[in-house]
Amino acid sequence: DQQVKQNSPSLSVQEGRISILNCDYTNSMFDYFLWYKKYPAEGPTFLISISSIKDKNEDGRFTVFLNKSAKHLSLHIVPSQPGDSAVYFCAASSYYGGSQGNLIFGKGTKLSVKP
Amino acid sequence: EAEVAQSPRYKITEKSQAVAFWCDPISGHATLYWYRQILGQGPELLVQFQDESVVDDSQLPKDRFSAERLKGVDSTLKIQPAELGDSAMYLCASSLVGLAGGGDNEQFFGPGTRLTVL
Repeated sequence: DQQVKQNSPSLSVQEGRISILNCDYTNSMFDYFLWYKKYPAEGPTFLISISSIKDKNEDGRFTVFLNKSAKHLSLHIVPSQPGDSAVYFCAASSYYGGSQGNLIFGKGTKLSVKP
Repeated sequence: EAEVAQSPRYKITEKSQAVAFWCDPISGHATLYWYRQILGQGPELLVQFQDESVVDDSQLPKDRFSAERLKGVDSTLKIQPAELGDSAMYLCASSLVGLAGGGDNEQFFGPGTRLTVL
């Protein structure tokens, strides 16, 4: 049973437009969410995170939105650039027993930004 | 900039052979993770170390997989014997926050070892 779901395996966007990547989760105990970007033949790179006490976190062109009631988060990239083309993984963890638990990853969404 | 180092980057082996992967985390990072990523899937945790101790190996197939971090710094993941289904990317990650930390859990990943079992 997947606890973190990325239902869109791929997304294609024109350069300069907004890219919106979606992620749903089922475990209501998750309280910390991260987005990672992965280029081929490289390990995932941390992009942005959000705690469950917030509903928005912004870092330059990247903004993550969290809707706890819907158990949904999204990553917005504005404006999209060809260099943003990569696989994006959503990950979640929960805080228990005095420590942050392990990351549970979604299957990823492959973003292609066309010039 | 500090990085997680892994070697080898690529490994091709025949089934029933033994393979080993090495990881050197970012200096000062107490927590080290080994993940397996099958093509088309997200990374799945195999084992987590806090310093030299294993804190979670519930997803590690212990009949054939073993992992150690003897001095609490670098780590080795071994598979013996390798099976066809072990073909995957093996990722190592480290984080500053350990068991007593809590809060942010940003993990830094290495480039991975791509294993192909023939």
